[in-house]
Amino acid sequence: QVQLVQSGAEVKKPGASVKVSCKASGYTFTGYDINWVRHVTGRGLEWMGWMNPNSGNTGYARKFQGRVIMTGDTSIRTAYMELSNLNSDDTAVYYCARGLGTTYWGQGTLVTVSS
Amino acid sequence: QSALTQPPSASGTPGQRVIISCSGSRSNIGHDSVNWYQHLPGTAPRLLIYNNNQRPSGVPDRFSGSKSGTSASLAIRGLQSEDEADYYCAVWDDSLNGVFGGGTKLTVL
Repeated sequence: QVQLVQSGAEVKKPGASVKVSCKASGYTFTGYDINWVRHVTGRGLEWMGWMNPNSGNTGYARKFQGRVIMTGDTSIRTAYMELSNLNSDDTAVYYCARGLGTTYWGQGTLVTVSS
Repeated sequence: QSALTQPPSASGTPGQRVIISCSGSRSNIGHDSVNWYQHLPGTAPRLLIYNNNQRPSGVPDRFSGSKSGTSASLAIRGLQSEDEADYYCAVWDDSLNGVFGGGTKLTVL
């Protein structure tokens, strides 16, 4: 069965970077884009961008351009989302998903930004 | 502020029918098909509707979706207490950006 398993919770200081991983199984990793979505408590779901594991092509939401990098390692079927220059507003649960209209989501990774 | 406008809240009593709207533009809803998610904070979003009106396996037929022009809606009939959650519409826009609506908090009275 299709599974996306994300890395564990992180605590970071303001100005630091975080890299969240998303390991895929149960399907052809290179066949589907990986999207990243976050949820800030008290606010809505926010689309961050997509990464095509086959080509390495990416597309980022304007809000995150210059601060986010999405990559993939096909040898270990894992996608990564790195967000830099963190601030308290980046405290959120980050999700990977196989596409945008999809039943396949990771379990979420809580990233806490605190001094 | 999202490019997709949803009412911030909705409510109903058990057994009632509730409709949640999602209003967009030609560049988003007018461009692509609409998906609907149910979200309980701390859990992964659950896909309820894809391709405007298709239900994934396992989603009860109490949930239905529709789209007309630059608007879409999610209908929930036979409201149940377990339906209390946040609901989001989501589409691709014509710049290949994903867009979520601002979300609607559904309360079952």
